[in-house]
Amino acid sequence: DAKTTQPNSMESNEEEPVHLPCNHSTISGTDYIHWYRQLPSQGPEYVIHGLTSNVNNRMASLAIAEDRKSSTLILHRATLRDAAVYYCILRDTNAGKSTFGDGTTLTVKP
Amino acid sequence: DGGITQSPKYLFRKEGQNVTLSCEQNLNHDAMYWYRQDPGQGLRLIYYSQIVNDFQKGDIAEGYSVSREKKESFPLTVTSAQKNPTAFYLCASSISRQRPNTEAFFGQGTRLTVV
Repeated sequence: DAKTTQPNSMESNEEEPVHLPCNHSTISGTDYIHWYRQLPSQGPEYVIHGLTSNVNNRMASLAIAEDRKSSTLILHRATLRDAAVYYCILRDTNAGKSTFGDGTTLTVKP
Repeated sequence: DGGITQSPKYLFRKEGQNVTLSCEQNLNHDAMYWYRQDPGQGLRLIYYSQIVNDFQKGDIAEGYSVSREKKESFPLTVTSAQKNPTAFYLCASSISRQRPNTEAFFGQGTRLTVV
C-alpha cells in the first residue's frame, strides 16, 4: 500500500498562512490525494482532495507536485479553530486499505 | 440531516465480555469502514464493507467481527479475543470504494474502555 509521510507537528500564528507538507513517493497513477483533519475526541473531517491539478475549496488549497510524489495543504489564514491533526492519505479503487498514518498536529498561536 | 451516527459515545466493558458498537448512516452509501485509534496515533482499519452482505478484513481484524445485513448499518463486535480493546473506534462511509475521488464521512466515535 502506498504510504504518506508527514511532519509530526507544526506551529502557526493566527491569521498567517500555513503550508502542511506530505510526501507520497510511492503514489500510483490512480491514487487520489485526500486530506482530513481531526479535532480531539471527534471523527476526522474531510478537507480537500485532488489527483494531478491544484485544487481550491472554501476550506483550503491543495498544491500537488508535478511528479505527484508530494503535496501541500495550504490554509490561507489560520484561525484557532484550525488547530487539529491533519492527515494526508491516498485513496484508489482499493480505498478500503487507505492508510492514515499519524498525521501532523497543527498548533495555532493567537 | 444526512450523516453517520455512532452509539454509544462512551462504553465500558468488563474483561471477557463481548460488546457491540453501533454505526448507522442515512447517506445511501455503499461502502462502510471501521477504524481503531489509540492515543496519539493515526487510524487503523479493522473491517470494511463494499455492499450489503459483504465485508473484508482490514489490517487489524483479529478479535473483531462485523455484519452488514442492511445498507445503513455496519455494527462492530469487539470480542473477548481482542487482547487490548480499550481505544477510540471510528466508523466511516463513502459512496463506493470504487469511487476514490469522493470523500469519506466519519462518525463521532465510540470510546471503549475495558474495566
